[in-house]
Amino acid sequence: NAGVTQTPKFRILKIGQSMTLQCTQDMNHNYMYWYRQDPGMGLKLIYYSVGAGITDKGEVPNGYNVSRSTTEDFPLRLELAAPSQTSVYFCASSRQGSETQYFGPGTRLLVL
Amino acid sequence: GQNIDQPTEMTATEGAIVQINCTYQTSGFNGLFWYQQHAGEAPTFLSYNVLDGLEEKGRFSSFLSRSKGYSYLLLKELQMKDSASYLCAYALTSYKLIFGSGTRLLVRP
Repeated sequence: NAGVTQTPKFRILKIGQSMTLQCTQDMNHNYMYWYRQDPGMGLKLIYYSVGAGITDKGEVPNGYNVSRSTTEDFPLRLELAAPSQTSVYFCASSRQGSETQYFGPGTRLLVL
Repeated sequence: GQNIDQPTEMTATEGAIVQINCTYQTSGFNGLFWYQQHAGEAPTFLSYNVLDGLEEKGRFSSFLSRSKGYSYLLLKELQMKDSASYLCAYALTSYKLIFGSGTRLLVRP
């Protein structure tokens, strides 16, 4: 199993541009999550999904959108990039809630 | 509200024992996680406590006291590769984790 994979690894965006961060897991996990991690800080939950077709907001959802059309994929969309969205983005998945979350390698995003 | 606190940095010597503390205040609690994160990498799972007491797993142990809102991670026989950040997180609900800012551990020879 590849586990949780994310693309791209690194991206530079200009203010106002949009992009989609891709996340795929091959463990047949029901739950998927998007976090952001700012330097020297813990992870903040952006959005999560408890199954295909079901998504909900986390702590810091503003400026982001998600969709979950399949069990495997959980893309994160930035519509109008802002410097405040410069961060490292981690996708994670778990079989059920309150179980171990497995993290992808992260996407480093710089908005200039 | 929700609050979680852990020391920013700790230093220890190779072969020694180190204890990383975590305190939290929350209205909902579904367990306490510890993750290890090496610089530039993803967090990896270390331990999960949902009941009070000590869970031992090789060189790593984790303790939880729900009544005190307190947990610690104990690392024995420290190795250089243990230099990393250690993230404490409690499960506010079954799917929502609240992370601390992490403790950066430096292991010196």
